[in-house]
Amino acid sequence: EVQLVESGGGLAQPGGSLRLSCAASGFIFTDYWMNWVRQAPGKGLEWVTNIKPDGSEKFYVDSVKGRFTISRDNAKNSVYLQLSSLRVDDTAVYYCSAAAGNSPHHYDRYWGQGTLVTVSS
Amino acid sequence: DIIMTQSPLSLPVTPGEPASISCTSSQSLLNSNGYNSLDWYLQKPGQSPQLLIYLGSFRASGVPDRFSGSGSGGDFTLRISRVEAEDVGVYYCLQARQSPLTFGQGTKLEIK
Repeated sequence: EVQLVESGGGLAQPGGSLRLSCAASGFIFTDYWMNWVRQAPGKGLEWVTNIKPDGSEKFYVDSVKGRFTISRDNAKNSVYLQLSSLRVDDTAVYYCSAAAGNSPHHYDRYWGQGTLVTVSS
Repeated sequence: DIIMTQSPLSLPVTPGEPASISCTSSQSLLNSNGYNSLDWYLQKPGQSPQLLIYLGSFRASGVPDRFSGSGSGGDFTLRISRVEAEDVGVYYCLQARQSPLTFGQGTKLEIK
């Protein structure tokens, strides 16, 4: 059974930091791009960042560049998101998702249940 | 960045009736392998998004055949042939043609 389990969410002050983790199981982790997607309360989905299977490439949405850092540990089947210089508008549920394949016969997409990050003084 | 625009944003539907949602992109989503990098997701209340349609028109595993996707390039449509009560939630299109990946605003489907 495929599982993505996020952890590390909680309350942080503006300007503070948090580290989110996502533990993967049930699939070959090293075949998958890993993504973080967030959803502010009552709002839509926003893609935040992703990382290539070998960790050699990373991409970010402009609003988090220089503040958030994605990383992965393939030996631990885990991906991380370091959140720094947090702002109130970073408040959201953060979802971890996995992606592999880009053809009709191979297109795997998995999502976790999310972890809530609240930025407030 | 590729801008994704969905319409309508709210969709009240009578059970058994059809429904359709449009998604347009500011750039072509046709990729080098000949497929469109466009997915449709449904987020049911209190749940994570679930994949319905991928590469514009392919139904994901376990998705009922009343769901279908069509379109190419920059114009896409999600159709539900006969809406059921369990279809309520917010529908999103997502482009994966280039980073940053971008979602549409979401279409909230409700039962009349």
